[in-house]
Amino acid sequence: GEDVEQSLFLSVREGDSSVINCTYTDSSSTYLYWYKQEPGAGLQLLTYIFSNMDMKQDQRLTVLLNKKDKHLSLRIADTQTGDSAIYFCAGGGSARQLTFGSGTQLTVLP
Amino acid sequence: EAGVAQSPRYKIIEKRQSVAFWCNPISGHATLYWYQQILGQGPKLLIQFQNNGVVDDSQLPKDRFSAERLKGVDSTLKIQPAKLEDSAVYLCASSSEGLEQFFGPGTRLTVL
Repeated sequence: GEDVEQSLFLSVREGDSSVINCTYTDSSSTYLYWYKQEPGAGLQLLTYIFSNMDMKQDQRLTVLLNKKDKHLSLRIADTQTGDSAIYFCAGGGSARQLTFGSGTQLTVLP
Repeated sequence: EAGVAQSPRYKIIEKRQSVAFWCNPISGHATLYWYQQILGQGPKLLIQFQNNGVVDDSQLPKDRFSAERLKGVDSTLKIQPAKLEDSAVYLCASSSEGLEQFFGPGTRLTVL
């Protein structure tokens, strides 16, 4: 099955860019997702990318996909304190089932 | 549009007791998922329903966990008997035809 790995922690200064990285093993994942989880809340979909795309930009968010290296990244421009949360990457196949990474705790310092 | 509702939000039980969680998905969403999220880990799929049928329950510990979705709307997840390692947040999610799964706030279970 799919295995998804992420670094556990990232700290950035307010206003800087954040880059959260993820690697996955299953090249048959049709879609790759980024979810955000704030304390005590469920997961919120931020963005997703089809596996036949290299890049997707959505306002402050940029997703890069390197299929050869099975590497996915999420860049958040002009990071704000409200962006502090846990970010999960996930792979999904045809059944829409998701396999999540262990999450990256993003801390934005003032 | 109302989101996915879950109850209770918190539950504390002793090991070997039973517990049940309830989920009400977004109206019209045919697919419902239950995930287990252990502290410090990502959610892990336990079971997926399409209407009132099970699509995948391969990761559900069937000796102690059960789930049902009668009438294809609400769902309940039960643990009987609970073990210490069942302490986790249980997340319910629903989806329609699109790619996005909408998650509820979760039920935090503590087994003492």
